[in-house]
Amino acid sequence: DTEVTQTPKHLVMGMTNKKSLKCEQHMGHRAMYWYKQKAKKPPELMFVYSYEKLSINESVPSRFSPECPNSSLLNLHLHALQPEDSALYLCASSQRLAGTGIQYFGAGTRLSVL
Amino acid sequence: GIQVEQSPPDLILQEGANSTLRCNFSDSVNNLQWFHQNPWGQLINLFYIPSGTKQNGRLSATTVATERYSLLYISSSQTTDSGVYFCAVDNYGQNFVFGPGTRLSVLP
Repeated sequence: DTEVTQTPKHLVMGMTNKKSLKCEQHMGHRAMYWYKQKAKKPPELMFVYSYEKLSINESVPSRFSPECPNSSLLNLHLHALQPEDSALYLCASSQRLAGTGIQYFGAGTRLSVL
Repeated sequence: GIQVEQSPPDLILQEGANSTLRCNFSDSVNNLQWFHQNPWGQLINLFYIPSGTKQNGRLSATTVATERYSLLYISSSQTTDSGVYFCAVDNYGQNFVFGPGTRLSVLP
């Protein structure tokens, strides 16, 4: 099973809302990633977790708050987002930190901020 | 950081035609993957190929690490091959960087 599951698939939120994106994998991978993808652009790395610890934060605004409660689960908490944050948010996992194996991607959450 | 270029940016093919997509990168890498992103946004792994040649059905890929490029070959293209093809690289754990992609349209 090489599946990474993301929920919800679609999310519409106002600028004052608080919401969370969820990502789950059961492949025993110890590295998990959040990417942001704007229309007609490639995915851009936001955060990397390695062994449940934040390893890389690509200067992402504090209105995005990642959390890795256990090795199978990755959350992205959203608060006071701006309309320009509307995008496809992709989660991925790999056996170890990037550079040492295949990254598997979920289907993404399509976020619209009104 | 490492730079990744892909060519061509757009490609239109008639069904049954063959094509070659190219990925150039600016530094040595220890991870290179080719992905196909379908119209619904799902990124599908095609190849993990930091070096060498691999084949999977109608698709094959070659990476020449010493010359810093990779090629993706699509033979006998089908309409279901349409979408965006990304090359992504990592240089020793610093970051996983995607190229800008090649947008492929296969016409019936």
